[in-house]
Amino acid sequence: GAVVSQHPSRVICKSGTSVKIECRSLDFQATTMFWYRQFPKKSLMLMATSNEGSKATYEQGVEKDKFLINHASLTLSTLTVTSAHPEDSSFYICSARATGGLGTEAFFGQGTRLTVV
Amino acid sequence: EDKVVQSPLSLVVHEGDTVTLNCSYEVTNFRSLLWYKQEKKAPTFLFMLTSSGIEKKSGRLSSILDKKELFSILNITATQTGDSAVYLCAVVSIGYELNFGKGTSLLVTP
Repeated sequence: GAVVSQHPSRVICKSGTSVKIECRSLDFQATTMFWYRQFPKKSLMLMATSNEGSKATYEQGVEKDKFLINHASLTLSTLTVTSAHPEDSSFYICSARATGGLGTEAFFGQGTRLTVV
Repeated sequence: EDKVVQSPLSLVVHEGDTVTLNCSYEVTNFRSLLWYKQEKKAPTFLFMLTSSGIEKKSGRLSSILDKKELFSILNITATQTGDSAVYLCAVVSIGYELNFGKGTSLLVTP
């Protein structure tokens, strides 16, 4: 299957700093990438949908100024957690969908464990 | 509002048992249904279902979709301890966003 690489896999940062997470589709072009957050023992929560070359669409309740998403190319989307707080500590996962096709499956990155201290 | 409901929420079985996991949905403009297995980290893709009544099979796992009754089942036969995981069902709707269920937590005991 298609490969999606997410980096870093684990990051610890101080409160008030910003952290950038990268999501790359390695062997296909992804017009759309999705960013999820997962709380312990809970399902994935969609944060935003990122389309190449346009602004991301954020889900209700997700602060767009806090979680900056950039999808500058067909193979790269970034999520920047700005002015991180301990409550932002979570597992963040991206998924990428290839161009075209109906019902195309989305492929997930490995996830990033963010800990804000 | 789009909705994906998985049942049961959790399940404990003995090795060798067969389990059936359920996923029902109410989604506008359905495109496909996806099953994932999640262990410690990111979900691993299992199946994509788009057509009703056609079984997808991979080893001891199989899945089928009923678009009339709006549900899918995931079967695991001859379960092994390595099957212990959370199984996620997601429905792809208009715009290709994924709507996830809460997952079924499966524990297979020796």
